[in-house]
Amino acid sequence: KAGVTQTPRYLIKTRGQQVTLSCSPISGHRSVSWYQQTPGQGLQFLFEYFSETQRNKGNFPGRFSGRQFSNSRSEMNVSTLELGDSALYLCASSKRESTNSPLHFGNGTRLTVT
Amino acid sequence: DAKTTQPNSMESNEEEPVHLPCNHSTISGTDYIHWYRQLPSQGPEYVIHGLTSNVNNRMASLAIAEDRKSSTLILHRATLRDAAVYYCILRDMNAGNMLTFGGGTRLMVKP
Repeated sequence: KAGVTQTPRYLIKTRGQQVTLSCSPISGHRSVSWYQQTPGQGLQFLFEYFSETQRNKGNFPGRFSGRQFSNSRSEMNVSTLELGDSALYLCASSKRESTNSPLHFGNGTRLTVT
Repeated sequence: DAKTTQPNSMESNEEEPVHLPCNHSTISGTDYIHWYRQLPSQGPEYVIHGLTSNVNNRMASLAIAEDRKSSTLILHRATLRDAAVYYCILRDMNAGNMLTFGGGTRLMVKP
């Protein structure tokens, strides 16, 4: 069974630009969540989507947004990039049939903002 | 959110058991205890979870204190491949997939 796939693996952008990251969940998984990982703040929850609806949102500014498609694939978008947005962005999928379904993480997209 | 406290780092010798502690004194009745680990250059990987009883799976064992205020992840025979950051997380059964990660414990395994 293929794991969670995130594309691209690496990305370099300039301040003020916008970026879109993509996540393909494990087949059959309907929940996708996004996390940001930085050396200073660690792993922080961004948002969760289930059946194309945002179910939870973390404490991030409105520049961070996401969506989920009918095939459960998800994208997240960051507009007006700032230097502090440089981070590893991780996507995780789960079945969400049980509230304790384990999360399966991809290997992330490393975003560098210059 | 209920918080967890873990040592910043631990060392172990290869092929010896490792006990990774976690304190969670403010745990609530609806919190499950989850463990994930993150190997270098990879996303976190689910290890094990439990509510009240001790749990075993092919990767590890989870020992939960009777009052649930602490738990211990047990790796029975550490290998070099187990070198990673281990996160102990309290997952509220009503909070969906919103996990709150702390700093974790960096486990170093010596050959």
